[in-house]
Amino acid sequence: AQKITQTQPGMFVQEKEAVTLDCTYDTSDQSYGLFWYKQPSSGEMIFLIYQGSYDEQNATEGRYSLNFQKARKSANLVISASQLGDSAMYFCAMRGGAYSGAGSYQLTFGKGTKLSVIP
Amino acid sequence: EAGVAQSPRYKIIEKRQSVAFWCNPISGHATLYWYQQILGQGPKLLIQFQNNGVVDDSQLPKDRFSAERLKGVDSTLKIQPAKLEDSAVYLCASSFTSDSYEQYFGPGTRLTVT
Repeated sequence: AQKITQTQPGMFVQEKEAVTLDCTYDTSDQSYGLFWYKQPSSGEMIFLIYQGSYDEQNATEGRYSLNFQKARKSANLVISASQLGDSAMYFCAMRGGAYSGAGSYQLTFGKGTKLSVIP
Repeated sequence: EAGVAQSPRYKIIEKRQSVAFWCNPISGHATLYWYQQILGQGPKLLIQFQNNGVVDDSQLPKDRFSAERLKGVDSTLKIQPAKLEDSAVYLCASSFTSDSYEQYFGPGTRLTVT
């Protein structure tokens, strides 16, 4: 079974500052993928960044980077130069990387962190 | 490119009534997912379709929930009869194939059961 833990229910950050959102995971799979999604108040989930378990380099997408520490089973999201539009819920998720039957590609989500950017 | 469409956006019903949600995925996407997101939690997968076949429905409460994707494009999710604990946002997502890592989500349907 896969489990995602996000321990920060809410975070505040000053505009233009960087912020780190924490995510730890648990899985017995050797191959897996880690994701971060943003959910604004409008409700849709927006894909931000992906990290494969065998990727040697940390993933980056614009102002988003994923700090992947495999031995510690953590996949923290770093947002640089925060903007007011970054205020939203952020979800960490994972799935198995190799198909092994029904449910193996299922995304398992954490409970989310609400980020508020202060002007 | 048009995104994932869902309707209605909001629905309020009384317990024991029935309700149906509609989803139109991104054109060409073979895989379609329905998620339930209860307030304060992350989404939980209810059912996954590959074209018009069910890949995974292990977390679907089959005594009251049903879903179909008859022509491998649009999908409907039905609840009958609804319970108070079904109050949630129902999200539809699609991906190009089942092993595509990027899923594209619709805006969701917010269901309130009174």
